[in-house]
Amino acid sequence: GDSVTQMEGPVTLSEEAFLTINCTYTATGYPSLFWYVQYPGEGLQLLLKATKADDKGSNKGFEATYRKETTSFHLEKGSVQVSDSAVYFCALTQGAQKLVFGQGTRLTINP
Amino acid sequence: GAGVSQSPSNKVTEKGKDVELRCDPISGHTALYWYRQSLGQGLEFLIYFQGNSAPDKSGLPSDRFSAERTGGSVSTLTIQRTQQEDSAVYLCASSLRLAGRRFGYEQYFGPGTRLTVT
Repeated sequence: GDSVTQMEGPVTLSEEAFLTINCTYTATGYPSLFWYVQYPGEGLQLLLKATKADDKGSNKGFEATYRKETTSFHLEKGSVQVSDSAVYFCALTQGAQKLVFGQGTRLTINP
Repeated sequence: GAGVSQSPSNKVTEKGKDVELRCDPISGHTALYWYRQSLGQGLEFLIYFQGNSAPDKSGLPSDRFSAERTGGSVSTLTIQRTQQEDSAVYLCASSLRLAGRRFGYEQYFGPGTRLTVT
């Protein structure tokens, strides 16, 4: 079945550092790819998405590019802030079906 | 507009009791999903509704778990004879499915119900 693998955390960075969280997937067909974020004490929020190869999703300074050749959807941000501290989940879905999530990566940004 | 709402926000129950968890999706959203988030298992899919029917219930862990959706809106997840391993945060999400569109369905999540079985 479909699966998503994220880089293991936790990840700790200093403010203004460059962030990469790796995500690779295994899927039949052409899934849509998502990054969700869960801030402390809050629910899951959609951060960004991409629906086809070479699409770039972006939001709040975060970016991820759908790479079909490497089956990847790595999350990047050029300069992180303390407020970016959260758990990040990579996920895929086929059409309107269930989301398949990675295991989540806890990110802590120190001032 | 209003987002996905879930009730109760917290539920503590004794082992062996039945519990009902409620989800109110975003108005007009035809698809509704239940997931479970626990420390050991991450985010797991439970069941998916399109309208009032459930084309995918493959994630329900046992026959103690059931769910229904009425009027294409509110859904209830019922856990019978609760066990300690049922302790988790139960998340509901909804999505707007459009005829002829095959990709990019965004799911919007509620705040969850934290279930603790003692």
